[in-house]
Amino acid sequence: DAKTTQPNSMESNEEEPVHLPCNHSTISGTDYIHWYRQLPSQGPEYVIHGLTSNVNNRMASLAIAEDRKSSTLILHRATLRDAAVYYCILTRGDGGSQGNLIFGKGTKLSVKP
Amino acid sequence: KAGVTQTPRYLIKTRGQQVTLSCSPISGHRSVSWYQQTPGQGLQFLFEYFSETQRNKGNFPGRFSGRQFSNSRSEMNVSTLELGDSALYLCASSLGAGPFYGYTFGSGTRLTVV
Repeated sequence: DAKTTQPNSMESNEEEPVHLPCNHSTISGTDYIHWYRQLPSQGPEYVIHGLTSNVNNRMASLAIAEDRKSSTLILHRATLRDAAVYYCILTRGDGGSQGNLIFGKGTKLSVKP
Repeated sequence: KAGVTQTPRYLIKTRGQQVTLSCSPISGHRSVSWYQQTPGQGLQFLFEYFSETQRNKGNFPGRFSGRQFSNSRSEMNVSTLELGDSALYLCASSLGAGPFYGYTFGSGTRLTVV
């Protein structure tokens, strides 16, 4: 399975935008890019996923590089509730594969008031 | 809409015993996956079920098993418990199986083996 690389930690100020980077240089053409986050003492929470085009939903935006070797999760206005560990995950979409998620260590996001 | 429900929330077992954990997925979701989370290893995939069939299995010993029922509810069983099995066990459900769907996780069952 293709691997992702994320910074161990990032800090942000409340109400400012946050850009969380993820490198996946060995991504294949059929790999989907998923983002999940885990708040303290909770199970992971789905944030967003995409294949090639940028994606937006009520929680965040996902910007995917043209060569797909990197992506950025964008939180438009960070709140204290966004403090969590964010995981960037690739899932294979080649039909013969599975949808299980392989979690790395993720990026721990701290949000300062 | 009810989320993914896992029972029990907390469990204490003795080494050598066996344990069964339960997961009720979101209504309409047919895929259920199980994960183990420990401070040392992080989140690790155990297995995934879709329409009562195990589609994929992670790298865990045979003491870990699971099943899915016709109503999509799932159980996982761990036999001959070891101290190292102490972990948070998370269940996730999805509309379908495969990478095209997002997964919704439950809050987990905290298992402590003493």
